Amino acid sequence: QLVLTQSPSASASLGASVKLTCTLSSGHSNYAIAWHQQQPEKGPRFLMKVNSDGSHNKGDGIPDRFSGSTSGAERYLTIFSLQSEDEADYYCQTWGTGIWVFGGGTKLTVL
Amino acid sequence: QLQLQESGPGLVKPSETLSLTCTVSGGSISSSSYYWGWIRQPPGKGLEWIGSIYYSGSTYYNLSLKSRVTISVDTSKNQLSLKLSSVTAADTAVYYCASQAWLDPWGQGTLVTVSP
Repeated sequence: QLVLTQSPSASASLGASVKLTCTLSSGHSNYAIAWHQQQPEKGPRFLMKVNSDGSHNKGDGIPDRFSGSTSGAERYLTIFSLQSEDEADYYCQTWGTGIWVFGGGTKLTVL
Repeated sequence: QLQLQESGPGLVKPSETLSLTCTVSGGSISSSSYYWGWIRQPPGKGLEWIGSIYYSGSTYYNLSLKSRVTISVDTSKNQLSLKLSSVTAADTAVYYCASQAWLDPWGQGTLVTVSP
């Protein structure tokens, strides 16, 4: 079964960096995923697609501070130089034939 | 640039059918470059995939909702539609449409409340 696992929460200081993790279920380590950001009281926004080879493709207007990477079944979102507006929920998402799957989301707090 | 906008009633009575429309601009809904889907988010909770439709017309639904969901495309209006029957309070959520497997872009969402 295709499942994505995320830690419920993360925190980091203003100006620092943070690395969020999304783990693919066993047998699905070759899947690409997408990261989406949902700021408070707003709808989700596509940030980037992260492929199994570690390459990533960002959405229009996404700052260079956001970067994606891969290690095995884990997909990462790293945010550098944290700003207050980065405080948000971050969801990973993947897809297969006829199915889309979401992780439970990580709530990022900027201290 | 592709843009999506959801619309429909904000209040639906229990046992009735929820009907929403997603209007696509900046691209053709019938293009082989795209496919489309609906996602919802109950208040204070995470995202849930409802279903998807390919340009070929093939549809795929979340198994937990499959018996109640219909997704279709109106190419003449460049619109995507969602119908969810026999709604209950548990169907209260913000409903989003989105394009592509990786959900880029999203619509802004529309809140649907199920209440008598």
